[in-house]
Amino acid sequence: NAGVMQNPRHLVRRRGQEARLRCSPMKGHSHVYWYRQLPEEGLKFMVYLQKENIIDESGMPKERFSAEFPKEGPSILRIQQVVRGDSAAYFCASSLHLRASVAFFGQGTRLTVV
Amino acid sequence: KNEVEQSPQNLTAQEGEFITINCSYSVGISALHWLQQHPGGGIVSLFMLSSGKKKHGRLIATINIQEKHSSLHITASHPRDSAVYICAVRPQGGSEKLVFGKGTKLTVNP
Repeated sequence: NAGVMQNPRHLVRRRGQEARLRCSPMKGHSHVYWYRQLPEEGLKFMVYLQKENIIDESGMPKERFSAEFPKEGPSILRIQQVVRGDSAAYFCASSLHLRASVAFFGQGTRLTVV
Repeated sequence: KNEVEQSPQNLTAQEGEFITINCSYSVGISALHWLQQHPGGGIVSLFMLSSGKKKHGRLIATINIQEKHSSLHITASHPRDSAVYICAVRPQGGSEKLVFGKGTKLTVNP
């Protein structure tokens, strides 16, 4: 049973390009969470999704960022027209049910905008 | 002021020492998590607490809801315990959002 898989592990984008970050939750998990870790800062919640639904996106920047978790396939965090300030580590976590005692984290995607 | 404060920010210990990492928070919570982030960046969930105390191997986590404070203890520390330990709270109100501390970087020397 593979853990939470994120890819790519490292992503380099030029300013203005799009970044697409993928997260495959653990088998059977239908709850997915995205977090961002800026350099020298703590993790910050971005969005919580269940299959085909965005439940809480209160941590997402209003522009350029979007997330989805389709019926089939991984969850995608999409950043359009990236800027240097988007450089960060983006972590995905999944859980079996709501308020689970354990959420399983992926290894993260380190985005560098040059 | 952050809603979740951890202390110390950095901690260096000798192998075998007893370690304590503290977490204070300022909001009402429904749960508190302790996470471990390895030097390679991966994050592991250690505990979720809503009251009392939990133990797993050499790790012990306690929480005092009235005082809005939690501690993570490591007994008989080992160099492989070197990591960043992160406290996160789930505020009351039904949201799934976690609010994180900035982490405590622990280095255990042999």
